[in-house]
Amino acid sequence: QKEVEQNSGPLSVPEGAIASLNCTYSDRGSQSFFWYRQYSGKSPELIMFIYSNGDKEDGRFTAQLNKASQYVSLLIRDSQPSDSATYLCAVEYGNKLVFGAGTILRVKS
Amino acid sequence: DTGVSQDPRHKITKRGQNVTFRCDPISEHNRLYWYRQTLGQGPEFLTYFQNEAQLEKSRLLSDRFSAERPKGSFSTLEIQRTEQGDSAMYLCASSWGQEAFFGQGTRLTVV
Repeated sequence: QKEVEQNSGPLSVPEGAIASLNCTYSDRGSQSFFWYRQYSGKSPELIMFIYSNGDKEDGRFTAQLNKASQYVSLLIRDSQPSDSATYLCAVEYGNKLVFGAGTILRVKS
Repeated sequence: DTGVSQDPRHKITKRGQNVTFRCDPISEHNRLYWYRQTLGQGPEFLTYFQNEAQLEKSRLLSDRFSAERPKGSFSTLEIQRTEQGDSAMYLCASSWGQEAFFGQGTRLTVV
């Protein structure tokens, strides 16, 4: 059973702070990892993906991957109230993505 | 907008009825996926097409569910004899490489 675990939250951060979202996965053979953002009642929106150990930055977002620890994280710098959403971690297994249940992020102004 | 398009956006049906959903992927994408999502959970994989071939189907998908992608373009997902447990958001996604993009989803309510 391929598993992807996330803390459900909610994670509350003040506006302008760094939000740190974490994800662990069970299969050491996994190669590609994705972060999606989902607003209430809407469909998931791809933020970024990572497949190499280390950091990958895109604007205010940084994805971090540690394959030895089977751990993926997403950092959001200068958090804004519009970042309030559920963040889904997904791991590619063969032809499909396996998703975690998501972490609710609340950014308070 | 040339994103993934799903129709209908909402469907309310009585238990025991059949429903069919349609997905139009991004035009150059050869891969198409169906997922289901219930409240508080992440999307759950249902099935995968590469062009017109259905290459993978979840064991969670009962024989009441069937999906097609006849010409390698749009896809349909049919649920026969719906049950209340089928109530969920049905999401379609498409991709060319590693990045999969989701449509707006079809929210099914079985009453």
